Amino acid sequence: EIVLTQSPGTLSLSPGERATLSCRASQSVSSSYLAWYQQKPGQAPRLLIYGASSRATGIPDRFSGSGSGTDFTLTISRLEPEDFAVYYCQQYGSSPPRGTFGQGTKVEIK
Amino acid sequence: EVQLLESGGGLVQPGGSLRLSCAASGFTFSSYAMSWVRQAPGKGLEWVSAISGSGGSTYYADSVKGRFTISRDNSKNTLYLQMNSLRAEDTAVYYCAKTIVVVPAAIGYFDLWGRGTLVTVSS
Repeated sequence: EIVLTQSPGTLSLSPGERATLSCRASQSVSSSYLAWYQQKPGQAPRLLIYGASSRATGIPDRFSGSGSGTDFTLTISRLEPEDFAVYYCQQYGSSPPRGTFGQGTKVEIK
Repeated sequence: EVQLLESGGGLVQPGGSLRLSCAASGFTFSSYAMSWVRQAPGKGLEWVSAISGSGGSTYYADSVKGRFTISRDNSKNTLYLQMNSLRAEDTAVYYCAKTIVVVPAAIGYFDLWGRGTLVTVSS
């Protein structure tokens, strides 16, 4: 079973700065079946990226995903005030069927 | 409007049962797999269960297998989660999520989430 490890646990940045979040898998994620979600306090998660690099509908282009195999990255090119939140990666499409999430990275205002 | 609305959460004693519902609207419900994902207070996301669009295939996390049952009524556009033998560690916000399956018989990714319903297991 694939285990996802996200780093860092917390990222302290200022608006306008670039954020780079990492998601590492314990074994190769087939066909880059990796998604990223954003969650703000008291809200449900929102899909940002699927297939490692495809933006979901309505997601601004300052969000980008990259990577393959075991190493994946979510980049926020210039942080807006509304981007401070917790971000989760998730792998899918594997056997046995599991919707495994990473433990999350909190992006906080410095 | 495309949306999911969960209901049925509440306070239940250890060993008790609860049934969650998720009403879907704005999309062809029967065409999509659906899932339940939970989040314990102050913790991360945990996938719980999934069901195919027809309801013919179901999948469970090891932590709930044998205690929880997922089902759907496509005539009512509603997803369910029957939770039995509840434990303190089942305390969480439970989200239903529309699931995009890319590999048959595997869990997909979640492109639409409800607002969640809180389940508290305590005596």
